[in-house]
Amino acid sequence: DQQVKQNSPSLSVQEGRISILNCDYTNSMFDYFLWYKKYPAEGPTFLISISSIKDKNEDGRFTVFLNKSAKHLSLHIVPSQPGDSAVYFCAASEYPGGGADGLTFGKGTHLIIQP
Amino acid sequence: DTGVSQDPRHKITKRGQNVTFRCDPISEHNRLYWYRQTLGQGPEFLTYFQNEAQLEKSRLLSDRFSAERPKGSFSTLEIQRTEQGDSAMYLCALGGVYGELFFGEGSRLTVL
Repeated sequence: DQQVKQNSPSLSVQEGRISILNCDYTNSMFDYFLWYKKYPAEGPTFLISISSIKDKNEDGRFTVFLNKSAKHLSLHIVPSQPGDSAVYFCAASEYPGGGADGLTFGKGTHLIIQP
Repeated sequence: DTGVSQDPRHKITKRGQNVTFRCDPISEHNRLYWYRQTLGQGPEFLTYFQNEAQLEKSRLLSDRFSAERPKGSFSTLEIQRTEQGDSAMYLCALGGVYGELFFGEGSRLTVL
């Protein structure tokens, strides 16, 4: 049973426009959410995170929004650049400080930035 | 640079052989994790070390898998009697202060 779901396997966006990647979760105990970016043949790279006490966190071109009542979060990338083309993973944890179970990941969304 | 070195980067082996992967944190980290990623899936938790103690193991970690972290520094993941279903990327990660994980570049296993 997938506790973290990314329902769009891929997303194509024009360079300069906004990319919006979505993620839904089912476990109401999740308290800490993260986004990772992954290039082929490399490990995932941490991008941005948000704790459940906030509804928005911003870091440069990346903003994560959290809607706890809907169990939904999204990652906005503005403006999208060619180097943003990668697979993006949503992840969640019950323990903001890091727990023994680590993180639960979604299956990923392949973002393609078109020139 | 994620602060985690993994070796080898790619291993091709025949079914039934044993393989071992190594993870070397560049600096001291209490929390070390192993994950597995197969095609089209996100990383899946395998096991967790707090210093040298293995505190958590996933049900994905069959008895053919064993992991160690002697002295709480580097860690090894061994797979005995490999099967084709073991083909995957094996990722080592270090736990950050705020619960984030910092992954190494991974070790890709191909079982023929």
